[in-house]
Amino acid sequence: SYELTQPLSVSVALGQTARITCGGHSIGSKNVHWYRQKPGQAPVLVIYSGTNRPSGIPEQFSGSNSGNTATLTISRAQAGDEADYYCQVWDSSTAVFGGGTKLTVL
Amino acid sequence: QVQLQESGPGLVKPSQTLSLTCTVSGGSISSGYYYWSWIRQPAGKGLEWIGRIYPSGSTNYNPSLKSRVTISVDTSKNQFSLKLSSVTATDTAVYYCARGDTYGSIDYWGQGTLVTVSS
Repeated sequence: SYELTQPLSVSVALGQTARITCGGHSIGSKNVHWYRQKPGQAPVLVIYSGTNRPSGIPEQFSGSNSGNTATLTISRAQAGDEADYYCQVWDSSTAVFGGGTKLTVL
Repeated sequence: QVQLQESGPGLVKPSQTLSLTCTVSGGSISSGYYYWSWIRQPAGKGLEWIGRIYPSGSTNYNPSLKSRVTISVDTSKNQFSLKLSSVTATDTAVYYCARGDTYGSIDYWGQGTLVTVSS
C-alpha cells in the first residue's frame, strides 16, 4: 500500500518561513492536498492539487511537488499558524494521509 | 455554504455495530461533481480515511477496514451513513464526514463526533 512520510515536528521562528515535507514514491505524479488542523477542530484544506490555494486561504501558504517529495511552505509564520498539518493523495481509489506534522512557531 | 453534521451514538459496546449519519445542508448531495467520505481520528493520532460514496451509490473503502464497513447514501434526505461492524476499543475515535471534490481534495468537513467503544 502507498505510504506518505512526514516529519513529526517542524519548528520555525516567528516571521520566518516553515517548510513541511511529504515523501512518497513518485508523489510528483500525484495530486497532493494539504490540511491544517488546530486542536479540537476539524481539518481545513489549505492547498489542493499541489500548488493551489482555496478561497480564503492567505497567500502565505504555498505548495510544490516534484519527484518523491511534496512541500508545504508557510511564509511569515505567525503564532496562529501553529497546528498539525497533513498531506493527502489518492492511490488506487484509496485516500492516503501522511502521519501529520506538528508546526511550532517559536 | 455547504455544511455537514454527524449524528449518532457516542458510545458503542464491543462487538456491536457503529452507526453514524451525516446530514448535508447548503447543497445537494446528488451533485455529480462531489463524493462523500468518512474519516476518523483516534485521540492524539493522525487521520484515517474510511471510505467514500458517490451519489450513484458507488463506493470505495479503506482496504484495512473493508470487511467491516458499509457506506450508504439517501439522496431524498440529503444524508449519507456509515456502519462499522464488530467494533473494538481500537475503533474509538472522532469520526468526520466530509465532501470530496473533483481534484481529489476534501473541501468541507463536519465538526466531528466522538465515538467511544466500551462496555
